[in-house]
Amino acid sequence: DAKTTQPTSMDCAEGRAANLPCNHSTISGNEYVYWYRQIHSQGPQYIIHGLKNNETNEMASLIITEDRKSSTLILPHATLRDTAVYYCIVRGDSSGNTPLVFGKGTRLSVIA
Amino acid sequence: NAGVTQTPKFRVLKTGQSMTLLCAQDMNHEYMYWYRQDPGMGLRLIHYSVGEGTTAKGEVPDGYNVSRLKKQNFLLGLESAAPSQTSVYFCASSYSLGQGGHSNQPQHFGDGTRLSIL
Repeated sequence: DAKTTQPTSMDCAEGRAANLPCNHSTISGNEYVYWYRQIHSQGPQYIIHGLKNNETNEMASLIITEDRKSSTLILPHATLRDTAVYYCIVRGDSSGNTPLVFGKGTRLSVIA
Repeated sequence: NAGVTQTPKFRVLKTGQSMTLLCAQDMNHEYMYWYRQDPGMGLRLIHYSVGEGTTAKGEVPDGYNVSRLKKQNFLLGLESAAPSQTSVYFCASSYSLGQGGHSNQPQHFGDGTRLSIL
């Protein structure tokens, strides 16, 4: 079972910030929070990951609460091409061979 | 930027036929993975490889075999296809811990192979 809880779906107006929440209340100290997205009929795309500090890259920002029990992915200026299913994944094995456990994710619809 | 390339993109097989799915990556990644995705379900790991010449079973390995003869290629074989293997297959790759310089390297995915078995 996935270790995370996400809303099933969200809408966002084009040009506005999309804030996607994720609960991971059972996260342990060595587990990272990853975000991937899957645009229809394409392979999952890595967005961002973090351990406890907030992270930002060219795609998004990741805000992790101080107790690390939840996080928010922020797409600062959503476009129609950001319509996708967004997956929040907790993963801890640093050897790299732990499978990614994809839950059902959040279906984000960006509306013109 | 080729990244992870999967061939073929689509295939229809008859029950009992065999085939090989090819995954190629040009990022010098040590780790490679094969997942399958079924409707209403997340991706499930079939097999993975942590380096050339090594493979290991994932969550759902039955009915599949893999080989990693070259670092850049990871092959997934179905010896005797069954309708239950109708799915979308995704290959992924990532740096190892040592390559990346830090832990938990993200995985990069191909665009999938859509396989139907009649």
